[in-house]
Amino acid sequence: DVKVTQSSRYLVKRTGEKVFLECVQDMDHENMFWYRQDPGLGLRLIYFSYDVKMKEKGDIPEGYSVSREKKERFSLILESASTNQTSMYLCASSSTGGNQPQHFGDGTRLSIL
Amino acid sequence: GDSVTQMEGPVTLSEEAFLTINCTYTATGYPSLFWYVQYPGEGLQLLLKATKADDKGSNKGFEATYRKETTSFHLEKGSVQVSDSAVYFCALSDWGTNAGKSTFGDGTTLTVKP
Repeated sequence: DVKVTQSSRYLVKRTGEKVFLECVQDMDHENMFWYRQDPGLGLRLIYFSYDVKMKEKGDIPEGYSVSREKKERFSLILESASTNQTSMYLCASSSTGGNQPQHFGDGTRLSIL
Repeated sequence: GDSVTQMEGPVTLSEEAFLTINCTYTATGYPSLFWYVQYPGEGLQLLLKATKADDKGSNKGFEATYRKETTSFHLEKGSVQVSDSAVYFCALSDWGTNAGKSTFGDGTTLTVKP
């Protein structure tokens, strides 16, 4: 079974801090994704990557950056955390091809105080 | 662009009731269609999928048929259980889409009461 592991289930940080969320997948998937999930807003794509060192902006990239130095690891960075970035963050991975499902981690619930 | 519209929730049913969650889509290419389920405190997991018109996906008693003529992929289950309480997401992934990006519906919360 594919496993997508997010480094923290719960995280509390302060406004202005630089925050790193880490995601690792163990199935050699080419594609990796970061979403945020907020009540009433569904899933919103922040960034995705289709190869090592490659990244593309999703629907809401402002205030975020990403890093993919190795195929299995995709990091989401909040450059200067703000309270409106309090949310559930979900990482996913998939193999190449439009008929492949995404595999999700269990999420990181991030609170910015 | 691609879009997915799901039946608004929340949906509350009694155990053993019949479930339908409606999903319609718009896509420019030849999408594959998916249903994901999210249990409390967890990420999304694939429930079922269909990759071409008239395909039926099924898993754990849930079914959905890819209807190209009505651009729909409605989720059904004949007899729900309390353990089916979760959020259900309809999604599509278009063959022409870069890197396997998916478009998700807003999710439908299902609560099943004993």
